[in-house]
This record gives sequence, structure tokens and C-alpha cells, in this order.
Amino acid sequence: KAGVTQTPRYLIKTRGQQVTLSCSPISGHRSVSWYQQTPGQGLQFLFEYFSETQRNKGNFPGRFSGRQFSNSRSEMNVSTLELGDSALYLCASSTAGPGIGQYFGPGTRLTVT
Amino acid sequence: AQTVTQSQPEMSVQEAETVTLSCTYDTSENNYYLFWYKQPPSRQMILVIRQEAYKQQNATENRFSVNFQKAAKSFSLKISDSQLGDTAMYFCAFMKLDSGAGSYQLTFGKGTKLSVIP
Repeated sequence: KAGVTQTPRYLIKTRGQQVTLSCSPISGHRSVSWYQQTPGQGLQFLFEYFSETQRNKGNFPGRFSGRQFSNSRSEMNVSTLELGDSALYLCASSTAGPGIGQYFGPGTRLTVT
Repeated sequence: AQTVTQSQPEMSVQEAETVTLSCTYDTSENNYYLFWYKQPPSRQMILVIRQEAYKQQNATENRFSVNFQKAAKSFSLKISDSQLGDTAMYFCAFMKLDSGAGSYQLTFGKGTKLSVIP
């Protein structure tokens, strides 16, 4: 099976702009989660979607949003970008069983200038 | 809220030797899952090993094994016969199953940078 794919891999944006990141999960995986990875804060949970419904959301401002489509592909959007949003954004997919673990994509490296 | 602590920011080991990475966590949950993930330099996160809290038997995956001490809330990773390809950041992660919503959320430690020396 193909792994989790994320596009684009690298992105440079200016403060105040918005950005959309895309994630395609492993075939058959219906749960998609997003994480932000920074040197200072480490890995932080953003949100999780299952069958097009957001099931859980981390402690991030409303500028961070997401959605999931019927084919399980997911997008996350960040509006009004701030310098502090510069990070590696990781997407992970999972089957219905939580103990199986989550499988991560390569990430999108976002740089805000 | 759950917290995961990895007290060793950096470690090194000689090739072919054994190394143990420490992880402790804090939770009031009784049923949960624990994971070790590996993130090689500039490469994606890989699931190394998983442990269900209700299982007393320690998980093993080839050269990787864990020492799970539920009462002590400790979950260490042992890497035997270390190889150069084991050089990576290792993250310990906790997952509580939100039985109501069925949501999956990983809480990560800050990571341990492991260097395998030839």
C-alpha cells in the first residue's frame, strides 16, 4: 500500500496570508490527524477527523481549521499566518483500531516570513 | 491531561551495542496505548513499537523491545545490536482512547536524539 502523502512538501508564505495543506491517508484508513512540530514546542496535536467529522481538536486558535472529504483525504487551513506558525505540519492516518497506531506522512515544511 | 516525559535529550551508543531510552508518563486513565516513534534526520516518522496498557507482556519487534511498568508509569525502549540506521530522534507517545467520541490523539514527549557511532 502507498503510504501517507502530503502536499506540498515545502511552502513559504508571508505574514497575514493563508495556506492550505493537503493529506492523503493510506488506503482504507478513515482517521486522519494533524500535528504541528516545532523545535520549541515539539509535537502538538491539532485535530483529528474520522468519516468527514472532526472528533477532537487540540489547543490551537481558530485560525487553524481542517476538513475531511468523503475519500478520507484531508486538508488543513491556516488563516492570517503569523511568524510562529512556521513549523513542520505532519499528517497521520489510522484504521479504526486505536492500538494499531498512527502512520505519518513526510510533512509539509511551512516557513512564514 | 496526559504528559509524557523523556528525560534524556541526547544519547549515543556504539554500533552493535545496546541502548535504553527512558520514558515516563502521567495519566489517570487505566486503559491506554503507548508507542515509540522514530524520526530519522529529514525523514518521516516511523512507528517502532506499540504497547497496550492492559497487556502485562512487554512488546518486542525484532531488535526493539520495551519495558512497560504500569504502576511506575514507565515505558522504556531497548535497542539491541544498534545499527547506524538507528540514528534518529525517538519519541515516546501516549494515546488515550476517548471512548465517547472514539477519538485518537497522540501526546508526545520531547524526544531523545540517538546517535549510533561506528
